[in-house]
Amino acid sequence: AQSVTQLDSHVSVSEGTPVLLRCNYSSSYSPSLFWYVQHPNKGLQLLLKYTSAATLVKGINGFEAEFKKSETSFHLTKPSAHMSDAAEYFCVVRHGSSNTGKLIFGQGTTLQVKP
Amino acid sequence: DADVTQTPRNRITKTGKRIMLECSQTKGHDRMYWYRQDPGLGLRLIYYSFDVKDINKGEISDGYSVSRQAQAKFSLSLESAIPNQTALYFCATSEAGTSSYNEQFFGPGTRLTVL
Repeated sequence: AQSVTQLDSHVSVSEGTPVLLRCNYSSSYSPSLFWYVQHPNKGLQLLLKYTSAATLVKGINGFEAEFKKSETSFHLTKPSAHMSDAAEYFCVVRHGSSNTGKLIFGQGTTLQVKP
Repeated sequence: DADVTQTPRNRITKTGKRIMLECSQTKGHDRMYWYRQDPGLGLRLIYYSFDVKDINKGEISDGYSVSRQAQAKFSLSLESAIPNQTALYFCATSEAGTSSYNEQFFGPGTRLTVL
């Protein structure tokens, strides 16, 4: 069965410093993995997705994630945090076979960016 | 205009009342989903529909029902609301097809409070 664990419920960084949001997954299939962001009072927006074409995935707003099969991880990083990055971030794995479309969400990580 | 809209955006109701949350989309997607978000739990799937004649239960369907009135409309009903259904509810859509990587597009959410 598929599952996803976000290792930190809350991360605080200073503006201009690197961001690391950690995610581990469990999947019986070749996983489909996503990172979504939710800004306050907004819906969820896709940051990036793992398509198996490359293990390092680049997303919007300077974020990227690296798929590491040996570690079953898909951590999200950004070299330099911006105040506008403050939001909640969800690591997501697709459930089951490729055609079902169902997503399983991690618990979420709240990113705080201090001036 | 937003591609996925939800009405109402906020609702306060009393225990035992019937509530309907509505979702409309202009993306032309066949697949639609209803999730609820609770602090610390991420998003959990309530119901999903792959086309107008296809309705499926998600992981937490008890106490909820849905109706897919048209390709563009998918409503969620609480027949007799209870306080533990207080949550943030999201509608989402995605394309059909066999791709593992079809992104889901989320509405802005409906905040429901059951007193």
